[in-house]
Order: sequence, then C-alpha cells, then structure tokens
Amino acid sequence: GESVGLHLPTLSVQEGDNSIINCAYSNSASDYFIWYKQESGKGPQFIIDIRSNMDKRQGQRVTVLLNKTVKHLSLQIAATQPGDSAVYFCAEKSGGYQKVTFGIGTKLQVIP
Amino acid sequence: DGGITQSPKYLFRKEGQNVTLSCEQNLNHDAMYWYRQDPGQGLRLIYYSQIVNDFQKGDIAEGYSVSREKKESFPLTVTSAQKNPTAFYLCASSNPGLAPYFGAGTRLSVL
Repeated sequence: GESVGLHLPTLSVQEGDNSIINCAYSNSASDYFIWYKQESGKGPQFIIDIRSNMDKRQGQRVTVLLNKTVKHLSLQIAATQPGDSAVYFCAEKSGGYQKVTFGIGTKLQVIP
Repeated sequence: DGGITQSPKYLFRKEGQNVTLSCEQNLNHDAMYWYRQDPGQGLRLIYYSQIVNDFQKGDIAEGYSVSREKKESFPLTVTSAQKNPTAFYLCASSNPGLAPYFGAGTRLSVL
C-alpha cells in the first residue's frame, strides 16, 4: 500500500557553503543515473547525469559521484545559493529499457 | 520552441468519472512517461512507452490507462477505478540513453 505521511529528508545549508545530497539506489544492473531539481509546483529539471562506466562527473557548480560497490550516488553543489533551494531527486535506468525510477528526494534549504 | 506541453494545468474529477490528461511533445523523442507525485513524496511511474503503439505498466498502473497512437502524444486516463486520484501528474519524454525531460505537470483533485 501507499506510505502515508512520508516526509522528505531535509538538508539545511548556509549560503556560500557546499552541499552534499546523497542517494542510495537499489538496482545493481542500473547503468545510467540522473539528478533532478524540482521547485515547488513545477516539473523536475535536469541537473547532471552519469553513466556506470564513470565514477565522477562535473558540471557548472555541481559534481556527481558514483560508488557502484555500495550503490551510492551523491550530488555536490559548490557555493550554495538561495536559488538552489528545492527538492533534489536521483533517478536510475537499467539496460536497454527506458524505465526510469526515482529515489525519495531530499529537500535542500539554503539559509541566507 | 521545443518542449513538453501538459494540459490542463488543473483538473477536477467528480466521483465515478474518467478524466484524461494530455501530454504532447515536439522534441521528436521516442520514449514517453507518466509519473504520479503525492505531496512530500517522490515520483512513482504509472506507464511508459518506448515506441508508438507500445507501452508498459510502471509500478502503479492500476486505475490508469494510456495510448500511444502518435509519437508526439501520450494521453493518460484516470479511470473511476482509481480510488485516490488526487495528485500531481508529470509527463516526460526522452530518447534512448538520455535523461527524461519533464512537462510542467497537471494537478488533479477530486470534487
């Protein structure tokens, strides 16, 4: 059945500090991972992705780390800004199938 | 202006009524998806389609139906069998091996 009253984990970070958002994935066959940002009332927005043959990928102010041994993914945001406040989701895809499944999400609150 | 268009933005359903949510994309993507999001929760996959005239059930397909008659369109019908339809519905599309791109969502409420 559905989980009722499930609350998102929250990370509070001071403006200017670095943020680290973690995600544990479940399928060892997953070979493509994505991070999304979702602001209130909007659809998720793509941030960065990484394939399973890599363990690190960098974008503008963001870095994704992949540890396949422990099935763990992290998103690092450098110099966090108030505009970074949102819910962040990791997603995974396996093999040739187009099915994409999402993690629970983490709410990032930036303290000015 | 390429993207995904979901309509309507807000939708109200009466008891026992079927309602259809529209999703159109002009990105020439092969795959399309429907997700449901409940308040304070993550996205759960309802249905996805990899090509025209083909679709697969996701994790919570009961009470929903879809069709994929055209590459650009993937409408979702919320049937009367879905007893708890109030949620935020998100449509997405992608090409193989790439991240899904999302629309702005439809918020469905029950009258």
